[in-house]
Amino acid sequence: NAGVMQNPRHLVRRRGQEARLRCSPMKGHSHVYWYRQLPEEGLKFMVYLQKENIIDESGMPKERFSAEFPKEGPSILRIQQVVRGDSAAYFCASSPQGEAVYTFGSGTRLTVV
Amino acid sequence: EDQVTQSPEALRLQEGESSSLNCSYTVSGLRGLFWYRQDPGKGPEFLFTLYSAGEEKEKERLKATLTKKESFLHITAPKPEDSATYLCAATVGNQFYFGTGTSLTVIP
Repeated sequence: NAGVMQNPRHLVRRRGQEARLRCSPMKGHSHVYWYRQLPEEGLKFMVYLQKENIIDESGMPKERFSAEFPKEGPSILRIQQVVRGDSAAYFCASSPQGEAVYTFGSGTRLTVV
Repeated sequence: EDQVTQSPEALRLQEGESSSLNCSYTVSGLRGLFWYRQDPGKGPEFLFTLYSAGEEKEKERLKATLTKKESFLHITAPKPEDSATYLCAATVGNQFYFGTGTSLTVIP
């Protein structure tokens, strides 16, 4: 039973490009969460999704960021027109329905140059 | 404002030297208090969940306790392999509020 799979592990983008981060939850998990970890800062909540639904996006920046969790396939966190301040580690976590225990992936480290 | 504060930021221990890490929280409607371990370049790994004041949980050399305002992670006779960053998080609704972690280094 594979854990939460995130890819790519490392992503380098030039300013103005788009970044697409993918997350496949654990088998049987229907809830996905995205967090961002900046250097010297704690993990910050971004968005909570279930299949085909955004449940809570209160932590998402209003512009350039979007997330989806389609009926088939992984959850995608999309960052348009990246800026240097978007450089961070982005973690995905998943949980079964009705349980508040997260399993985290290993993260995607985004570097904007 | 919901907030989680961890102390100390960094801790260096000799192998076998027991100590405690602190997690203070000010949140409304706490659902649970979680402890995670994070190794460099990896995602957080679940350790414990505590739900009510007075609750304690143990796993090998680690014991987590919870009061109404804070949680402690006690490390007994640590080993070098316990070196990592330890994160606590308070859950409110659908969200986890994470502290910035305590970086633990255990010296052989």
